Amino acid sequence: NAGVTQTPKFQVLKTGQSMTLQCAQDMNHEYMSWYRQDPGMGLRLIHYSVGAGITDQGEVPNGYNVSRSTTEDFPLRLLSAAPSQTSVYFCASSYSRDWTYNEQFFGPGTRLTVL
Amino acid sequence: GENVEQHPSTLSVQEGDSAVIKCTYSDSASNYFPWYKQELGKRPQLIIDIRSNVGEKKDQRIAVTLNKTAKHFSLHITETQPEDSAVYFCAASGYAAGGFKTIFGAGTRLFVKA
Repeated sequence: NAGVTQTPKFQVLKTGQSMTLQCAQDMNHEYMSWYRQDPGMGLRLIHYSVGAGITDQGEVPNGYNVSRSTTEDFPLRLLSAAPSQTSVYFCASSYSRDWTYNEQFFGPGTRLTVL
Repeated sequence: GENVEQHPSTLSVQEGDSAVIKCTYSDSASNYFPWYKQELGKRPQLIIDIRSNVGEKKDQRIAVTLNKTAKHFSLHITETQPEDSAVYFCAASGYAAGGFKTIFGAGTRLFVKA
């Protein structure tokens, strides 16, 4: 199993550009989530999904869109990049049945810089 | 909204000493409390977790305690080694009116001096 994969590893954008961060998992996990990690602020939840076709907002959703058309994929879209979105982005997935929580498996991260 | 506070932000110990990191959470619906370790430039990885129906859990040199009444939980590392140096994150997960979320603390940077 590849686990959770993310592409790209690094990205530089100009203010106003849009892009999609890709995330995929091959563990058949229902729950997937996106976090951003900034120095001194830990991991903040952007959006999450409890299954295909179901998404919801986390702590810091503004400026980001997600969709979940398959169990495996959970892309994160930046609509119009801003310097405040410079961060490291982690995708994670976990087994989740009957609303129970379990270990989240994280991808390797995407380091995004917005100029 | 939901909040998880983590202390201290930095902790320096001598090799062989114990390290304790403390977290408090605000959402009484939280029922799962994982701890993640993140080495420099790497992804976070689970080291131990505890559910709300358990007060304490131990795995070799690592233990976690939970006080649901006070909404406190703590990570204890005994006999620290240089390879324990990393950033540690606590988190609280639960389903409430706000959704099915995991909220992380800001992290503790642990230095173990040889």
